Amino acid sequence: DIVMTQSPDSLAVSLGERATINCKSSQSLLYTSSNKNYLAWYQQKPGQPPKLLIYWASTRESGVPDRFSGSGSGTDFTLTISSLQAEDVAVYYCQQYYSTPPITFGQGTRLEIK
Amino acid sequence: EVQLVESGGGLVQPGGSLRLSCAASGFTINSYGMNWVRQAPGKGLEWVSTISGSAGRTHYADSVKGRFTVSRDSSDNTLHLQMDSLRAEDTAVYYCAKVAAGYWHFDLWGRGTLVTVSS
Repeated sequence: DIVMTQSPDSLAVSLGERATINCKSSQSLLYTSSNKNYLAWYQQKPGQPPKLLIYWASTRESGVPDRFSGSGSGTDFTLTISSLQAEDVAVYYCQQYYSTPPITFGQGTRLEIK
Repeated sequence: EVQLVESGGGLVQPGGSLRLSCAASGFTINSYGMNWVRQAPGKGLEWVSTISGSAGRTHYADSVKGRFTVSRDSSDNTLHLQMDSLRAEDTAVYYCAKVAAGYWHFDLWGRGTLVTVSS
């Protein structure tokens, strides 16, 4: 099974500042024939289900603000929020779909306002 | 409107059974892989089970294999999860989630239903 490890576990950032969350997989998520990384990012606000933000490591889901961006390839990935807004307070999860089943998630990163 | 609505959660004793349902609207569940994902109180997300779109193949996490059964009913466009031999560690909010076309990331989630296993 592919193990997903996020860092940090929690993060406090000032409003308007950049937030960066990292995700590392135990094996490459790059499918060479398509040159796609099988990685997604989700946002989960308190009391709500997760919401898809990013897939293919860097493709923003429809309706997601452009301050959210994903980058990385192979085993190392990053979710960046360019200018933190109050409504971005949430837990963020990465998920691999390269080798399934099982589908595996990172342990989550809690993002708060400093 | 495209949505998923779970039901069937509740309090059950260890060793008991429960059947969860997920009613889909705005799309046909037979056309997509449908999943159950759970979240224990204060914890992260754990994939539980999948039923694939076309062939209806099923897959399970090792933690539930042999105890849980996923199925779907095309007549009312509903996904089910039959949970038997429940344990305290199965206590969680159970979400149903739809995969994006052909790939295993989830573009639609329900609001979840809480299952509590306790005596």
